[in-house]
Amino acid sequence: DARVTQTPRHKVTEMGQEVTMRCQPILGHNTVFWYRQTMMQGLELLAYFRNRAPLDDSGMPKDRFSAEMPDATLATLKIQPSEPRDSAVYFCASGLNEGQGAHEQYFGPGTRLTVT
Amino acid sequence: KNQVEQSPQSLIILEGKNCTLQCNYTVSPFSNLRWYKQDTGRGPVSLTIMTFSENTKSNGRYTATLDADTKQSSLHITASQLSDSASYICVVSEGADGLTFGKGTHLIIQP
Repeated sequence: DARVTQTPRHKVTEMGQEVTMRCQPILGHNTVFWYRQTMMQGLELLAYFRNRAPLDDSGMPKDRFSAEMPDATLATLKIQPSEPRDSAVYFCASGLNEGQGAHEQYFGPGTRLTVT
Repeated sequence: KNQVEQSPQSLIILEGKNCTLQCNYTVSPFSNLRWYKQDTGRGPVSLTIMTFSENTKSNGRYTATLDADTKQSSLHITASQLSDSASYICVVSEGADGLTFGKGTHLIIQP
């Protein structure tokens, strides 16, 4: 049963610390998304990649957030330095975009980040 | 600005009853509309995806409708079960990837 995995599931850190979240997309998927979910804002797209190349990171605060795909099996989202307002659940999703029409996105279980 | 508005924000119904959730959007250009179910503490799971030409799509007891002219969609749940308790999120896409999310309807099914 293929699924997206994310680590860690929970992270509590102090303001100013670096946070790295990891995602393993479903094998064979060529598109990877990072989302943030809060009670106030709901789900927001932060960035996404196709074939490991960044396509859109306009939803991400550039000064402190960075997203990378070092290889096809790993996507990372890093926050440095973290701030209390970054507290949220961060979801990774992957999908197979074959160039035509809509494609499914499969979400991971999320990383719940708390910055104190 | 692209927006997706969902109503009601929350809903409580008795097990076995039907319910309908609403989604209005201003996303343009329109590519497709999705409904996701999100259980507490989990990631969203896709229920349906509808493109411009589709008016209705079913997935078991879930039936989604789309009126692209009025930019409205609904999700109808038939014979609700306790396991239907979740948040239901409407998502509208401008293209293959770009998505605008609603804030969801929180549904509680009571025994």
